[in-house]
Amino acid sequence: EDQVTQSPEALRLQEGESSSLNCSYTVSGLRGLFWYRQDPGKGPEFLFTLYSAGEEKEKERLKATLTKKESFLHITAPKPEDSATYLCAVHHPNRDDKIIFGKGTRLHILP
Amino acid sequence: EAGVTQFPSHSVIEKGQTVTLRCDPISGHDNLYWYRRVMGKEIKFLLHFVKESKQDESGMPNNRFLAERTGGTYSTLKVQPAELEDSGVYFCASSQEGTANYGYTFGSGTRLTVV
Repeated sequence: EDQVTQSPEALRLQEGESSSLNCSYTVSGLRGLFWYRQDPGKGPEFLFTLYSAGEEKEKERLKATLTKKESFLHITAPKPEDSATYLCAVHHPNRDDKIIFGKGTRLHILP
Repeated sequence: EAGVTQFPSHSVIEKGQTVTLRCDPISGHDNLYWYRRVMGKEIKFLLHFVKESKQDESGMPNNRFLAERTGGTYSTLKVQPAELEDSGVYFCASSQEGTANYGYTFGSGTRLTVV
């Protein structure tokens, strides 16, 4: 079964302590991998789409990268406001309008 | 631009009762999606509307769930009768394009608790 696995489940960092979140996927013929951010009590907020191995996207302190089997979300010098759950998702193998989410990584940045 | 609006934000009902969730997408977005997250699980697709037509309802759990989008504007998701396993957070999202590539705009969700 196609699936998306994110690790770690939770991560606590000190402010300024850089780290990376992992998303591995088993869907065949990847046509798009997405990163979303979700704050408590809110819906997911779109961050990036990556299409092919080697591609990178950046936004403020976040940089997403993609290989043939996984994606990383690198967080550089994080601030407390970066605390959130980060969700990875991929296209359903047969449909562009349906995405398969991972369970997410809960990130907590301590001041 | 107003975002995707969902209400109620919370609903607590007894097993066997009926609940109707509503979603108002971003104006002009033809594509409307329902997703659900049950406790401990990932967010999962329920269905996709293009205007008033159901494009894909393969994620609907069973026939106790009925989604409508009359006139291609707002959508409702009715659960009748509700069961304990229906508890979770129901998210609505909308997009102009019928592809996830440009990102979906999600609402804040309706937290449904069936007791």
